[in-house]
Amino acid sequence: GAVVSQHPSRVICKSGTSVKIECRSLDFQATTMFWYRQFPKQSLMLMATSNEGSKATYEQGVEKDKFLINHASLTLSTLTVTSAHPEDSSFYICSASWSGISEKLFFGSGTQLSVL
Amino acid sequence: EDKVVQSPLSLVVHEGDTVTLNCSYEVTNFRSLLWYKQEKKAPTFLFMLTSSGIEKKSGRLSSILDKKELSSILNITATQTGDSAIYLCAVSNLIFGKGTKLSVKP
Repeated sequence: GAVVSQHPSRVICKSGTSVKIECRSLDFQATTMFWYRQFPKQSLMLMATSNEGSKATYEQGVEKDKFLINHASLTLSTLTVTSAHPEDSSFYICSASWSGISEKLFFGSGTQLSVL
Repeated sequence: EDKVVQSPLSLVVHEGDTVTLNCSYEVTNFRSLLWYKQEKKAPTFLFMLTSSGIEKKSGRLSSILDKKELSSILNITATQTGDSAIYLCAVSNLIFGKGTKLSVKP
């Protein structure tokens, strides 16, 4: 089956620094990638949808200047958490789709971000 | 406001039992309903449902969509400890329910 690789799996950083998370589709071209946030014992909260070569579409309440998403190629999307604060600590997970929201998703293994 | 509600939120059964997980939705633009299994980190795909009344099966798992009732069920027969996970329901891959945490005891 299709594989989505997400790195790093865990990152600890100081408050005020920026953190970049990568999401790669290894064996298929992902026209659409999604970024989620998941708090303990909570479901996945969609943060944004990104299509290759265009600007990401952010969900209501998600600050686009804080969570920078770049989908520069059909196999790579990045999420940069800028000027991270402790409240940004969470589990971030990406997913990828061949053809948008109507197809099954393949998920990365997630990134646990801890901001001190 | 669009929402997806799953029930129960958690369930504890013994091996061999049959379970039914529920998912109901209220969304303005429905395209599909998907079920995922999340064991540790990455959810894995189980089913995608777009048509009402057509059951999809995969081994001991099956699922069906009822567009009239705006709901779907996921059935697992003869449960095994390896079925222990959080089962997520998503509508159009945009709105996820909170999940049902299933624990299967030996």
